[in-house]
Amino acid sequence: KAGVTQTPRYLIKTRGQQVTLSCSPISGHRSVSWYQQTPGQGLQFLFEYFSETQRNKGNFPGRFSGRQFSNSRSEMNVSTLELGDSALYLCASSRQGAYEQYFGPGTRLTVT
Amino acid sequence: SQELEQSPQSLIVQEGKNLTINCTSSKTLYGLYWYKQKYGEGLIFLMMLQKGGEEKSHEKITAKLDEKKQQSSLHITASQPSHAGIYLCGADGYRGSNYKLTFGKGTLLTVNP
Repeated sequence: KAGVTQTPRYLIKTRGQQVTLSCSPISGHRSVSWYQQTPGQGLQFLFEYFSETQRNKGNFPGRFSGRQFSNSRSEMNVSTLELGDSALYLCASSRQGAYEQYFGPGTRLTVT
Repeated sequence: SQELEQSPQSLIVQEGKNLTINCTSSKTLYGLYWYKQKYGEGLIFLMMLQKGGEEKSHEKITAKLDEKKQQSSLHITASQPSHAGIYLCGADGYRGSNYKLTFGKGTLLTVNP
């Protein structure tokens, strides 16, 4: 079974631009969660989608948004990028009712 | 909001030595997860503990949950270089929120051959 895939793996953007990251969950997994990881703040929850609906949201500004498609694939978008948005963005997928989240390799975003 | 404090922040051990990493929660633990991360990569699920006193093992790694102390410990026996990485504990904020985890800052483990 293929694992969680994230594209692109690396990205360099300029302040003020916007970016879209993609996550394909493990086949059969309908829940997708997104996390931001930085050296200072650690791993922080962004949001979680299930069946195309956002079920949970973390404490991030509205510049961070996401969506999920009918095939469970998910995208997250960050608008008006700031230097502080430089981070490793991880997505994780889960089966309904299961405890484990399976993480993808992440997208390393650098904002200059 | 729930906070998880991990100790130590970093650890250097000689191959073959035992070690323990602790994770303490500021609130009641409904589920405690342990993950391992290679630098800059995704997280690998190790194990999940739900009940006070619960203990689980996977190969040479054992995790325990002390519900009263709101604490979990991860113990590695006879460490190997393959155990090196960042160990993260994560917790459910409330029952049923296992898709929204709060994580500790991590413990960086170095194992010298």
